[in-house]
Amino acid sequence: DTAVSQTPKYLVTQMGNDKSIKCEQNLGHDTMYWYKQDSKKFLKIMFSYNNKELIINETVPNRFSPKSPDKAHLNLHINSLELGDSAVYFCASSQLGQGYGYTFGSGTRLTVV
Amino acid sequence: SQQGEEDPQALSIQEGENATMNCSYKTSINNLQWYRQNSGRGLVHLILIRSNEREKHSGRLRVTLDTSKKSSSLLITASRAADTASYFCATEGGSNYKLTFGKGTLLTVNP
Repeated sequence: DTAVSQTPKYLVTQMGNDKSIKCEQNLGHDTMYWYKQDSKKFLKIMFSYNNKELIINETVPNRFSPKSPDKAHLNLHINSLELGDSAVYFCASSQLGQGYGYTFGSGTRLTVV
Repeated sequence: SQQGEEDPQALSIQEGENATMNCSYKTSINNLQWYRQNSGRGLVHLILIRSNEREKHSGRLRVTLDTSKKSSSLLITASRAADTASYFCATEGGSNYKLTFGKGTLLTVNP
């Protein structure tokens, strides 16, 4: 059973398009996250939802909008894609404040051409 | 903003040798975690050490934490080729328990 699953695994799209990445976790965790990993492998947190409530909203362009329909799902919608959005996007989940590590998905490699 | 800084950025060793990676951070933390990332894959949680702990072991992994120096080290003993990966430290802190990653150390274990 996949604990944190993201779809799609690869996404190639043209500049200006709108795309979504979906994430689901079956671990019963109450908190989910989106991280962006750039070409130099630097990981930066973008958003975090705890029980469907946004608790972390880092400085990202407002073209990025997260949506959490329930605590097992956290989707990322990106409008008007730009070349600089090309990166690997990771979804993760955890049980907040319990002192355990995060469980990461396998990532979505987004390429904007 | 980036919290952890790993050192070295890259490390190449022979199978059977020990590998030591260091991490420094800037602000107070709840805990510090180490993750492994194989090429093209997601991150895997290795070990977590709380701010009131000084040392922790898990199999061939040994982690130390010095909160006075704001630093941590990860030791992998008797390394194997399969240990080849990038290793990241991450600090959890703040009221929202934000997990902030360092830049990582690329470990290559040569057979």
